Amino acid sequence: QKEVEQDPGPLSVPEGAIVSLNCTYSNSAFQYFMWYRQYSRKGPELLMYTYSSGNKEDGRFTAQVDKSSKYISLFIRDSQPSDSATYLCAMPENSGYSTLTFGKGTMLLVSP
Amino acid sequence: GAVVSQHPSRVICKSGTSVKIECRSLDFQATTMFWYRQFPKQSLMLMATSNEGSKATYEQGVEKDKFLINHASLTLSTLTVTSAHPEDSSFYICSARRFVISPLHFGNGTRLTVT
Repeated sequence: QKEVEQDPGPLSVPEGAIVSLNCTYSNSAFQYFMWYRQYSRKGPELLMYTYSSGNKEDGRFTAQVDKSSKYISLFIRDSQPSDSATYLCAMPENSGYSTLTFGKGTMLLVSP
Repeated sequence: GAVVSQHPSRVICKSGTSVKIECRSLDFQATTMFWYRQFPKQSLMLMATSNEGSKATYEQGVEKDKFLINHASLTLSTLTVTSAHPEDSSFYICSARRFVISPLHFGNGTRLTVT
């Protein structure tokens, strides 16, 4: 079983829609979680990170963690065409935080 | 803050030559830097972990003699692809973090094409 699962998409939505991006993980040792956005031919850009369960909001973005279900989500409100990118979830591989485990990424396409 | 600069953004080289890629943390000191490789429509594949002043730790299957990593200072790490072959053509991305429990910040990647 892969440690981090993420639907590759593409997920196509109209401008203004609420987008939900999700990852599931299997390692209960994971303690903090990150979301990255990657535009084509660019490096990933850190969007949000959280150390605990619950919700964390930053502008149009909300990160949600449910440790009991091993499920994390990223919500994007009022999606824009500029949000079109690949979104990767990431979490430390082990309790030593030595490396990160990445999901494969979900491609999001927001049409005007 | 937390800007990571990677250079060059694109390089084309001939088979058999070596290519050096630089990764700099511009506004913070990075205790650890990481080098990734990414194939089209695939996720990031960790190649090696680099700590300042010590030898890099390579992931299984990554040839340390082919991918030379030097982390001479807290703000600079370099990856040298030696004796490049066409199969080394890929997107290489570096990342850096301040502390152990810190998110990673990535450079913009280097597109390497070996002809």
